[in-house]
Amino acid sequence: EAGVAQSPRYKIIEKRQSVAFWCNPISGHATLYWYQQILGQGPKLLIQFQNNGVVDDSQLPKDRFSAERLKGVDSTLKIQPAKLEDSAVYLCASSSVKGLETQYFGPGTRLLVL
Amino acid sequence: KQEVTQIPAALSVPEGENLVLNCSFTDSAIYNLQWFRQDPGKGLTSLLLIQSSQREQTSGRLNASLDKSSGRSTLYIAASQPGDSATYLCAVRRGTGGFKTIFGAGTRLFVKA
Repeated sequence: EAGVAQSPRYKIIEKRQSVAFWCNPISGHATLYWYQQILGQGPKLLIQFQNNGVVDDSQLPKDRFSAERLKGVDSTLKIQPAKLEDSAVYLCASSSVKGLETQYFGPGTRLLVL
Repeated sequence: KQEVTQIPAALSVPEGENLVLNCSFTDSAIYNLQWFRQDPGKGLTSLLLIQSSQREQTSGRLNASLDKSSGRSTLYIAASQPGDSATYLCAVRRGTGGFKTIFGAGTRLFVKA
């Protein structure tokens, strides 16, 4: 079974530029999560999708971050414009049922904003 | 508001030791608790998932316990090996309101050969 795929793996941009990350979850998984992990901290949930609907985006900075999951499969997370404090690893995860099953994580995208 | 704390933040032990990692949470209304392992530059790997109705789960040399009433979970690693060196993260899934997952900051473990 293929795992969660993410791209790119690394990205370096200057502040005020825009950037997009892509995630393809495990086939058949209805729930998809985007997390932000700042160095030395645990991951923080940014947004959770159930199929193509948003379940929780309470910690998503909506003035600069956006995410979509068209057709309930893969997803993109965008930052526009980026700030220095957005430097972090962006992790995508998926699970088959919203609360019962384990979450499977992708390798993450490491973002550096200069 | 749910908060998850992991103690210690870092731990260094000689190979072969048995060790315990601690996780505490402030709201006992959880759906499940999961322990993850994270290697440098990599994503998270699930180790054990404990449902709120369970007391413990075991996988190989790993044993995780859950005490909801006291807001605590422990991860026990038996006969530690250098390959166990990684950061161990505890994650609590809320029992209401969208089942949000909240992570602790992790315990960085180093096992010396």
